[in-house]
Amino acid sequence: KQEVTQIPAALSVPEGENLVLNCSFTDSAIYNLQWFRQDPGKGLTSLLLIQSSQREQTSGRLNASLDKSSGRSTLYIAASQPGDSATYLCAVRNAGNMLTFGGGTRLMVKP
Amino acid sequence: DTEVTQTPKHLVMGMTNKKSLKCEQHMGHRAMYWYKQKAKKPPELMFVYSYEKLSINESVPSRFSPECPNSSLLNLHLHALQPEDSALYLCASSLGQTDGYTFGSGTRLTVV
Repeated sequence: KQEVTQIPAALSVPEGENLVLNCSFTDSAIYNLQWFRQDPGKGLTSLLLIQSSQREQTSGRLNASLDKSSGRSTLYIAASQPGDSATYLCAVRNAGNMLTFGGGTRLMVKP
Repeated sequence: DTEVTQTPKHLVMGMTNKKSLKCEQHMGHRAMYWYKQKAKKPPELMFVYSYEKLSINESVPSRFSPECPNSSLLNLHLHALQPEDSALYLCASSLGQTDGYTFGSGTRLTVV
């Protein structure tokens, strides 16, 4: 059974810092990995989708990498802003229409 | 249209009520999902519909009854819920197995 772990569980940083959020998974037989952002009480917003054959994806200040063989992904946020404060969820997709989530990283960026 | 639309956004119901949650997408996605999310926890899968047929039921109590009337619409019928069923209910859809998921904004359900 796939297990997904995110470290750290919570992070508080001053504005302007570059951040790295970590995600690890136990079963490397994945189709893809997706990073989401969730604001309190809201739905999930997709940030980046990395296919199993890809090594990284970039969108603006966000860069996500994938090392399938070691079961790891990182989300890099450059020049963090208070508006980046949210919970970031990593999810991996295996066969059978199953999406497995990590526990999330709660990020607070202080002005 | 690149959205999954969920209604209502908020719902308060008594334990003897019957209510329904609605989810709609017009992206041509053929798989649709219901997730339940408690505070400070990740979403938990409840049901998966693939090509309008129920393909996964994650041992959800029968007081939750899903329905997929067509490829664009997904309902979740609620009856005799318990206070512990209070949560954010999220709907999602996807096109194929290598595609990402698109989530709706959720329905905040409170059972009193």
